[in-house]
Amino acid sequence: GQNIDQPTEMTATEGAIVQINCTYQTSGFNGLFWYQQHAGEAPTFLSYNVLDGLEEKGRFSSFLSRSKGYSYLLLKELQMKDSASYLCAVMDSNYQLIWGAGTKLIIKP
Amino acid sequence: DGGITQSPKYLFRKEGQNVTLSCEQNLNHDAMYWYRQDPGQGLRLIYYSQIVNDFQKGDIAEGYSVSREKKESFPLTVTSAQKNPTAFYLCATQGQGRDTGELFFGEGSRLTVL
Repeated sequence: GQNIDQPTEMTATEGAIVQINCTYQTSGFNGLFWYQQHAGEAPTFLSYNVLDGLEEKGRFSSFLSRSKGYSYLLLKELQMKDSASYLCAVMDSNYQLIWGAGTKLIIKP
Repeated sequence: DGGITQSPKYLFRKEGQNVTLSCEQNLNHDAMYWYRQDPGQGLRLIYYSQIVNDFQKGDIAEGYSVSREKKESFPLTVTSAQKNPTAFYLCATQGQGRDTGELFFGEGSRLTVL
């Protein structure tokens, strides 16, 4: 079966750095997405990785290793507004998105 | 402004009633999706449509129905056959080719069955 694993919850301190991991086992691979979702709101797109390596976008970076079935989202200089759930999703060989359950990130002052 | 509008935002339903959730987009996107989100679970695909007058079942289509008569609209009906309909429902669109296009989401509709 297809599976996406992420930690359920993480806590970090304002101003610090946090890494949210995502491991996947899917039928084929056509890219990995990260989305941010504040409570009760719609998910918003953060990043897309299809090749191995690191993609940097401001305070957020996303890394992919296809051989290891592994990705992480790195958030730097954490702000209180970064408190949200972070969703990892993989596009399989049929171009269907398989979603992880999300990681709830709690930022403390 | 371009975007996706879902309505209603909150909806209460009695058991045995059908309800329809609206999803309208003005992004001129071809593909539209309906997802269900439950606590502790990933988004699960209910139905999707790549083009007008055509739609496909997702992983959990039982108890749901859709139509795609216009490019802009993709309403979801939650029927009385859906045994556990209380959930957060998200509509999404995808504009580019399906292999690279990110999804754009509406603000969601929260359905509670009383």
